Amino acid sequence: ETGVTQSPTHLIKTRGQQVTLRCSSQSGHNTVSWYQQALGQGPQFIFQYYREEENGRGNFPPRFSGLQFPNYSSELNVNALELDDSALYLCASSSGQHEAFFGQGTRLTVV
Amino acid sequence: AQSVTQPDIHITVSEGASLELRCNYSYGATPYLFWYVQSPGQGLQLLLKYFSGDTLVQGIKGFEAEFKRSQSSFNLRKPSVHWSDAAEYFCAVGNNAGNMLTFGGGTRLMVKP
Repeated sequence: ETGVTQSPTHLIKTRGQQVTLRCSSQSGHNTVSWYQQALGQGPQFIFQYYREEENGRGNFPPRFSGLQFPNYSSELNVNALELDDSALYLCASSSGQHEAFFGQGTRLTVV
Repeated sequence: AQSVTQPDIHITVSEGASLELRCNYSYGATPYLFWYVQSPGQGLQLLLKYFSGDTLVQGIKGFEAEFKRSQSSFNLRKPSVHWSDAAEYFCAVGNNAGNMLTFGGGTRLMVKP
């Protein structure tokens, strides 16, 4: 069984630009969650997708948006990037009443 | 609103010594509780979880944790620490589905030879 994979692993963007991060969920998992982890802090929940619908959202502005595809893979889009968006973005997949499994993350640097 | 507090930002222990990492949570119902470990620049690996039942749960790598409802705590323990245990440890509480996790700020563990 394949694990959760994220791409790219690292990227650098300029303030004001837009970015798309990708996540392939673990085989058999229909739920994907995204987290932002700033340096030296714990991850913060951004939103969750279940069967292609947003199923819950944390305290993040609308410029953070997402998609889930029929194969349960997912994208996180961030518009109008700010310096404070620099962080490790983690994707986690799960199924039903079971624990989430995390990918290795995408390190985003905004300059 | 749910929250998680990890009071110790850094802990240093000698290799072979015992370890206890503290976690206190605030949650309105029966919580789903987790401990994750993160090596530098890496994702999160699940050590153990508590959903219901026996309040002492065993995890991977020799870790265990005890759920104490009266103290709103879920402390992580290991009887003998190995140098490879040096990492960041996160406690988290989840909603009914065990997802939409709220994490604590983490405890960085250093292991002295």
